[in-house]
Amino acid sequence: DIQMTQSPSSLSASVGDTVTITCRASQGIYNHVAWFQQRPGKAPKSLIYDASSLQSGVPSQFSGSGSGTDFTLTITSLQPEDFATYYCQQYNSYPLTFGGGTKVEIK
Amino acid sequence: EVHLVESGGGLVQPGGSLRLSCAASGFTFSNYWMSWVRQAPGMGLEWVASIRQLGTEKHYLDSVKGRFTTSRDNAKNSLYLQMNSLRVEDTAVYYCVRVFCGTTCYYDYWGQGTLVTVSS
Repeated sequence: DIQMTQSPSSLSASVGDTVTITCRASQGIYNHVAWFQQRPGKAPKSLIYDASSLQSGVPSQFSGSGSGTDFTLTITSLQPEDFATYYCQQYNSYPLTFGGGTKVEIK
Repeated sequence: EVHLVESGGGLVQPGGSLRLSCAASGFTFSNYWMSWVRQAPGMGLEWVASIRQLGTEKHYLDSVKGRFTTSRDNAKNSLYLQMNSLRVEDTAVYYCVRVFCGTTCYYDYWGQGTLVTVSS
């Protein structure tokens, strides 16, 4: 199974800040990585696929990069609605696996 | 607009069974792989199962193999998850997820989830 190690597990930031979340795969997975946002009590929302492509309707303040084993999600100009938990996922092979999540909190 | 609405969750005793349903609308259901993902209380996301467009190919998480079966009825635009021999550790919110396949296959739309509680 491919392990997805996500870091940090939590971070504190202020409105307007830029934050970066990283995900490391236990083996090479090309660019087969997605990122999701989950607000408290809500279903996850798809943000990015193929490591760097934005889902329809997702604002450009979100960006992704990486290939092989190392991937990043960057959120620029944090807005109040961006304070949530973010997950990476690999879809290179079954079982599909998620990172442990990164909770972005207000400083 | 794409809508995925799960139902069928509830409280069940260990060893019991439950059948989850996902009603899809706003797209041609038969053209898409579909998936189930769960989230235990206070925990992260865990993939459970995936099913191909015509139901001819299915994949399962090891811990649910032999106990859970996913199926679909394309005429009814519905996805199902039959869960047998339920364990306490199966307690979670279960999400129905659409899989978009272009050159790769990835999740795009999620349902709101249905809560399954396994407890005596």
